[in-house]
Amino acid sequence: LAKTTQPISMDSYEGQEVNITCSHNNIATNDYITWYQQFPSQGPRFIIQGYKTKVTNEVASLFIPADRKSSTLSLPRVSLSDTAVYYCLVGLLGGQNFVFGPGTRLSVLP
Amino acid sequence: EPEVTQTPSHQVTQMGQEVILRCVPISNHLYFYWYRQILGQKVEFLVSFYNNEISEKSEIFDDQFSVERPDGSNFTLKIRSTKLEDSAMYFCASRNRGLGETQYFGPGTRLLVL
Repeated sequence: LAKTTQPISMDSYEGQEVNITCSHNNIATNDYITWYQQFPSQGPRFIIQGYKTKVTNEVASLFIPADRKSSTLSLPRVSLSDTAVYYCLVGLLGGQNFVFGPGTRLSVLP
Repeated sequence: EPEVTQTPSHQVTQMGQEVILRCVPISNHLYFYWYRQILGQKVEFLVSFYNNEISEKSEIFDDQFSVERPDGSNFTLKIRSTKLEDSAMYFCASRNRGLGETQYFGPGTRLLVL
């Protein structure tokens, strides 16, 4: 399982774009990159997933460089309700369980 | 949108008692998981289940734990002889077949062992 490294915490202000970068130097060829969001006392919520280049959905964008050794989750115009812990997970989604790290605690300030 | 549901949302039990945590995965999903999260700590994998058998389990998932899919819709986690350190949030997750399919988590059951 590829190990991931991401900042422990980040602060931002409402309306700003937030970029959280995750390093996964030993990502395997068949691994996908998945990001989850977790609010206190709730289950992790799927945000976005990608394999290479750029993926965008209604919530976020995920940028993956050609070497795939890192990825960046981009949250456009954050609001107070985006305050949460964000987890970067790397693994083969054909049945493999996820190994969660400590995640990045994002605090959005007014 | 389909979602994973879990019951109960909260459970308080006495040390040494048995508890059963219930999950209803998304209906067409084939892979099922249990995770736990002790307060203030990381989400930890417990067990994965496919085709009516355990496919993988962590060191945490010892003989005290068991899982079952009794009726084709529910997926249960049984914890026998609970200990104080079993107090945690327990999350169920499910996933469909196919490369690129991700896991969807339930809201969790908060277990408190006194």
